[in-house]
Amino acid sequence: KAGVTQTPRYLIKTRGQQVTLSCSPISGHRSVSWYQQTPGQGLQFLFEYFSETQRNKGNFPGRFSGRQFSNSRSEMNVSTLELGDSALYLCASTPGQSLSGEQYFGPGTRLTVT
Amino acid sequence: AQSVTQPDIHITVSEGASLELRCNYSYGATPYLFWYVQSPGQGLQLLLKYFSGDTLVQGIKGFEAEFKRSQSSFNLRKPSVHWSDAAEYFCAVLEYGNKLVFGAGTILRVKS
Repeated sequence: KAGVTQTPRYLIKTRGQQVTLSCSPISGHRSVSWYQQTPGQGLQFLFEYFSETQRNKGNFPGRFSGRQFSNSRSEMNVSTLELGDSALYLCASTPGQSLSGEQYFGPGTRLTVT
Repeated sequence: AQSVTQPDIHITVSEGASLELRCNYSYGATPYLFWYVQSPGQGLQLLLKYFSGDTLVQGIKGFEAEFKRSQSSFNLRKPSVHWSDAAEYFCAVLEYGNKLVFGAGTILRVKS
C-alpha cells in the first residue's frame, strides 16, 4: 500500500497570506490527524478528522482550520499567516474508527513564512 | 493534561554499543504509549507501542521498550546500535481520541 502523501512538500509564503496543505491517507484509513512541528514547541496536535467530521481539536487559534472529503483526503488551511507559523506540518492517518492512536505519518509539508 | 518528558536532548553512543532512551509520562489511567523515530527530512515512523499486557514490547529494527508503571517510564532500548539508527526519537502518549502528546525528542548520534 502507498503511504500517507502530503502536498506540497515545501512552501514559501508571505505574512498575511493564506495557505492550504493537502494530505492523502493510506487507502482504507478513515481518520486523519494534523500536527505542527517546530524547534521551539515540538510536535503539537492540531486536529483530527473522521468521516468528514472534526473529532478532536488542539489548542490553536481559529486561523488554523481543516476539512476532510468523502474519500478521506484532508486539507488544512492557515489564514493570515504569521512568521511563527513556519513549521513542518505532518499529517497522519489511522485505520478505521478505533481510537488506537496507532498513526502513520506522511513526510510533511515544510512551510516557511517570510 | 497529559505530558511526556524525555530528559535527554542529545545522546551519543558508539556503533555496536547498547542504547537506552528515557521517557517519563504523566497520565492518570493506563496509558497507551508509543515510540516514533524521525530521520532528517522525513515524517515519523512508529517503532513500537504499548497498550496493555506484557510490559516488555518488541518493535521494529531491533528496538524494545519496557513499561514500568511504578516509575511512570517507558524507556526505549537497543542492544547494539547501528550507524543507521542516528535520528531523532520521540516518545508519545495517547491523550484521548487519536491525539498524541509527544515528548520533546532525543537526538541520537552514533560514533563510528
